[in-house]
Amino acid sequence: QLVLTQSPSASASLGASVKLTCTLSSGHTNYAVAWHQQQPEKGPRYLMKLNSDGSHYKGDGIPDRFSGSSSGAERHLTISRLQSEDEADYYCQTWGADTVVFGGGTKLTVL
Amino acid sequence: EVQLVESGGGLVKPGGSLRLSCAASGFTFSDYSMTWVRQAPGKGLEWLSSITGSGTYVYYADSVKGRFTISRDSAENSLYLQMNSLRDDDTAVYYCAKDGTGTYSYVDYWGQGTLVTVSS
Repeated sequence: QLVLTQSPSASASLGASVKLTCTLSSGHTNYAVAWHQQQPEKGPRYLMKLNSDGSHYKGDGIPDRFSGSSSGAERHLTISRLQSEDEADYYCQTWGADTVVFGGGTKLTVL
Repeated sequence: EVQLVESGGGLVKPGGSLRLSCAASGFTFSDYSMTWVRQAPGKGLEWLSSITGSGTYVYYADSVKGRFTISRDSAENSLYLQMNSLRDDDTAVYYCAKDGTGTYSYVDYWGQGTLVTVSS
């Protein structure tokens, strides 16, 4: 079964970097994922598509502070030079076998 | 500029029906798969259904299979979601989304959402 696992919460200080992780279920470790950001009281926003080789393709207007990387079954979203507006929920998404799956989301707190 | 504008949400009684619409612009509509995603209050994102760019293939989550029907009209650049037999747990914000390819894949643009409340 295609499943994405995310930690429920993360925190980091203003100006620091944070690495969020999305883990693919066994047997699906070569799948690509997409990352989405949802700021409080707003709709989601597409950040990037991240392939298993670490190549990533960002959406329109996404700052260079956002980057992606992959390692085995893990797909990472790294946010550098954290700003207050980065405080949000972050969701990963994947697709395959006639289904689309979202991870449970990680709530990022900027301290 | 890609724009997705949902409409049709509102208050409906359990067992009732509702049809959501999504007006798309800023891209060649028939070239891309489209998707509906919802978010219940305080919860995460839940994929509901996708339809290929041609409209030939449709896909549903188990939670809505048999109750919801996705469709599209390329002449109108519009996406629809017919929702029947609505239940209390269908209460959510419903998002229309554009996929990055012609077949179901990742979402690369989101609408602003429309609220559906199922309550007696």
